[in-house]
Amino acid sequence: EDQVTQSPEALRLQEGESSSLNCSYTVSGLRGLFWYRQDPGKGPEFLFTLYSAGEEKEKERLKATLTKKESFLHITAPKPEDSATYLCAVQLPRNTDKLIFGTGTRLQVFP
Amino acid sequence: SQTIHQWPATLVQPVGSPLSLECTVEGTSNPNLYWYRQAAGRGLQLLFYSVGIGQISSEVPQNLSASRPQDRQFILSSKKLLLSDSGFYLCAWSVETAQPQHFGDGTRLSIL
Repeated sequence: EDQVTQSPEALRLQEGESSSLNCSYTVSGLRGLFWYRQDPGKGPEFLFTLYSAGEEKEKERLKATLTKKESFLHITAPKPEDSATYLCAVQLPRNTDKLIFGTGTRLQVFP
Repeated sequence: SQTIHQWPATLVQPVGSPLSLECTVEGTSNPNLYWYRQAAGRGLQLLFYSVGIGQISSEVPQNLSASRPQDRQFILSSKKLLLSDSGFYLCAWSVETAQPQHFGDGTRLSIL
């Protein structure tokens, strides 16, 4: 069964304390993996797309990496404004436009 | 630049009443369009997607239906709402399959 699992469910960090969020998947022939940020009461905001193992993308304090079984979202020296829920989604390999989403990691960064 | 609009932002409806949620996209032509539902503690669940006018694919059998009467308009409907239809409904668009999907700000639907 196609599955996406994110860990941890929740993460509390002190401002400046770097950490990583994990997204593991059981999809064969991945077509793409997407990271989103979601603020309370809002729709997800697109962050990154990764298409092949070994690929890395960076944006400000965020860096996403991809292996054959998982992806990591590294947060370097986070600030309180990085507090949000981070969602991971995988594109199924078959001829469909379906994304499978994980349940997210809720990140809180304290000053 | 492209923008996506969803309305209303919140909606409270009685059980058995009809539903119509609308989504429009500006700044692009022939986008792929999607309806998702997000329940508390669960991942986003794809309900419907469309690759063109009148072309609707349903992912989950349910009490809901979708229509695409115009290129950049996507409508989610129900004839009779159930309590289980409560949730956060999100519309999204992409330029094509396997490209990033961009979401609207959602509609919070509560069924009483």
